Amino acid sequence: DGGITQSPKYLFRKEGQNVTLSCEQNLNHDAMYWYRQDPGQGLRLIYYSQIVNDFQKGDIAEGYSVSREKKESFPLTVTSAQKNPTAFYLCASKHGARNTEAFFGQGTRLTVV
Amino acid sequence: GIQVEQSPPDLILQEGANSTLRCNFSDSVNNLQWFHQNPWGQLINLFYIPSGTKQNGRLSATTVATERYSLLYISSSQTTDSGVYFCAVNGGATNKLIFGTGTLLAVQP
Repeated sequence: DGGITQSPKYLFRKEGQNVTLSCEQNLNHDAMYWYRQDPGQGLRLIYYSQIVNDFQKGDIAEGYSVSREKKESFPLTVTSAQKNPTAFYLCASKHGARNTEAFFGQGTRLTVV
Repeated sequence: GIQVEQSPPDLILQEGANSTLRCNFSDSVNNLQWFHQNPWGQLINLFYIPSGTKQNGRLSATTVATERYSLLYISSSQTTDSGVYFCAVNGGATNKLIFGTGTLLAVQP
C-alpha cells in the first residue's frame, strides 16, 4: 500500500532523553514535513525538507533536529533541549512543486515523564 | 509569512443542519487544502482547492484566490462530521505548508 507511515504510534520517554520519531513514505514525494500539535491547538511547523540532504527550520525548530539522507525517510529527533516535548507529532509529504497536495501520516503521541 | 485565520473557532450543530466554515489568508497562495481531523488525530484530506469550486458528496468548497478566502460547506451534517476542520496554504517562494487555527465542529444527534 502507498502511504506515509509514522512509528511508533505511542512513545513514552523519561525527561532528559533524546527520542527519534520515524516517518517513511513510499509515494515518491520530494517534500516532507514535521508538525507539532498540542491539545486543542493547531499544527505548527517544526522542520521541512524539499529534497534529499536539504531541510529548513519551521516556526518552532528549537530543541528538534532532522535528517534527510533518503528520499523516503525524514526522522525527527526530539532532544533534551526541547522544554516541553509532550505533544502529538504529525509527518506529511507531497510532490516538490508548490502547487501539489500534501498527505499525512497517522501521527505519534509522545509523552515525556 | 502568510497568516491563515479560520472562523468560527467553534460550532455546534444539530444533525441535519448545514454549515459554512471560512478560511482567510493574508497573501496569494499556490496551494490550499481542507482537512478533517478525526477524534484519533488523523488528518483526512477533504479538498485540494487553490481556486474554484469542488464538491464531494455532502461537502463542497470554494476558493476565491483574488479575495484571499476559501469556504467549506457541509450540508445535512451527521455526527460523524464532528472533529476539527483545518485549512492549510502554501504561498510565496517557499514550500512551507501553513495551517489555520481550525474550526471545532460538534454535531449533536
